[in-house]
Amino acid sequence: DGGITQSPKYLFRKEGQNVTLSCEQNLNHDAMYWYRQDPGQGLRLIYYSQIVNDFQKGDIAEGYSVSREKKESFPLTVTSAQKNPTAFYLCASSNRASGGPEGELFFGEGSRLTVL
Amino acid sequence: DAKTTQPPSMDCAEGRAANLPCNHSTISGNEYVYWYRQIHSQGPQYIIHGLKNNETNEMASLIITEDRKSSTLILPHATLRDTAVYYCIVRAQTGGSQGNLIFGKGTKLSVKP
Repeated sequence: DGGITQSPKYLFRKEGQNVTLSCEQNLNHDAMYWYRQDPGQGLRLIYYSQIVNDFQKGDIAEGYSVSREKKESFPLTVTSAQKNPTAFYLCASSNRASGGPEGELFFGEGSRLTVL
Repeated sequence: DAKTTQPPSMDCAEGRAANLPCNHSTISGNEYVYWYRQIHSQGPQYIIHGLKNNETNEMASLIITEDRKSSTLILPHATLRDTAVYYCIVRAQTGGSQGNLIFGKGTKLSVKP
């Protein structure tokens, strides 16, 4: 079945370590996104990519990095520069429609990162 | 993008219709209204979207007022599995690509037996 796979689902790391979260999609979508969600809050956009080898910063990009070497993959690295990395991280993708209404976002199941 | 206002929480009896309101008084002519929901500790799920006409699909109906300043998402027969946070988002189409949807705090709907 087509969808978005995030891994790992749960991750524990020590303070100061870099962490890479995986996001893979087999929906043939052009656009991919990373969001962060803190308890009781909405989603905040970290980075997004509308095409391979290109990405843009979202609202809270500081302390994070991404790459988009393949259409189906958009990994997120949480670096030691991120001051408060403990959060629920969500990856999403969408079709890049030419004209007409925008396509819906498809989300993965999320990765919960806890920094000890 | 236009800002939306939703009640923080609502209750609904199982089997009854759940009507979730959203105010978007600053919406502009090219902005769509989207609804997503998020069940606890899962990724959000798309429900429905519309521009100015009412829309219906297998999950819900979307009623948009004539002046487009508010909308209501209707779940016709709520079940316990509809308990979730519901997000109302307005966003313009940007050059044919998805653009960024801004998720606020939404409405936490609790369906009770």
